[in-house]
Amino acid sequence: DGGITQSPKYLFRKEGQNVTLSCEQNLNHDAMYWYRQDPGQGLRLIYYSQIVNDFQKGDIAEGYSVSREKKESFPLTVTSAQKNPTAFYLCASSRYGRDRGNQPQHFGDGTRLSIL
Amino acid sequence: AQKITQTQPGMFVQEKEAVTLDCTYDTSDQSYGLFWYKQPSSGEMIFLIYQGSYDEQNATEGRYSLNFQKARKSANLVISASQLGDSAMYFCAMREGRRDDKIIFGKGTRLHILP
Repeated sequence: DGGITQSPKYLFRKEGQNVTLSCEQNLNHDAMYWYRQDPGQGLRLIYYSQIVNDFQKGDIAEGYSVSREKKESFPLTVTSAQKNPTAFYLCASSRYGRDRGNQPQHFGDGTRLSIL
Repeated sequence: AQKITQTQPGMFVQEKEAVTLDCTYDTSDQSYGLFWYKQPSSGEMIFLIYQGSYDEQNATEGRYSLNFQKARKSANLVISASQLGDSAMYFCAMREGRRDDKIIFGKGTRLHILP
């Protein structure tokens, strides 16, 4: 079955440590996204990528980095510069192209990141 | 300034009643799309319904319909005959323009269905 796989489901970070969250999709989607969700809050866009080797900052990119070396993969690194990383992180993908307008995003099951 | 505004942080509705969740948006683009998602307590995001800015009719999907008022920049979700399983967070989202795939979400409304 096609879908988006995020791993790990739970992740703990020590102070000063970088951690990487994995996101893989087999839907053949061009566009991929990372969102952060704090308890009881909406989703805030961190980074998004429309094609391989290209990505754009979202609204809260500081302290995060991404790469898009393969169409299927869009890993997110939470760096030590991100001082309040505890949150629920959601990865999504969608089709890109002229007919993409009504295409919804497909989401992974998320990764919960906590500080030790 | 917020692009997507959901003014109801929480709502309590009796089972079997209809419920309307509010969403207003802000964009200067003529072409845009509006989405509604449901997030149960387990955390997954479930796509419910889509409305395009050029669609002349309000979107419907089963018990979900979208009350689209373009001049007011409003895209309210209507759930008919609510069920206990409808209890969840509901998010309104917008994709702007033709050239970009940036999708922005509102802060959500937590819906509680009472038995």
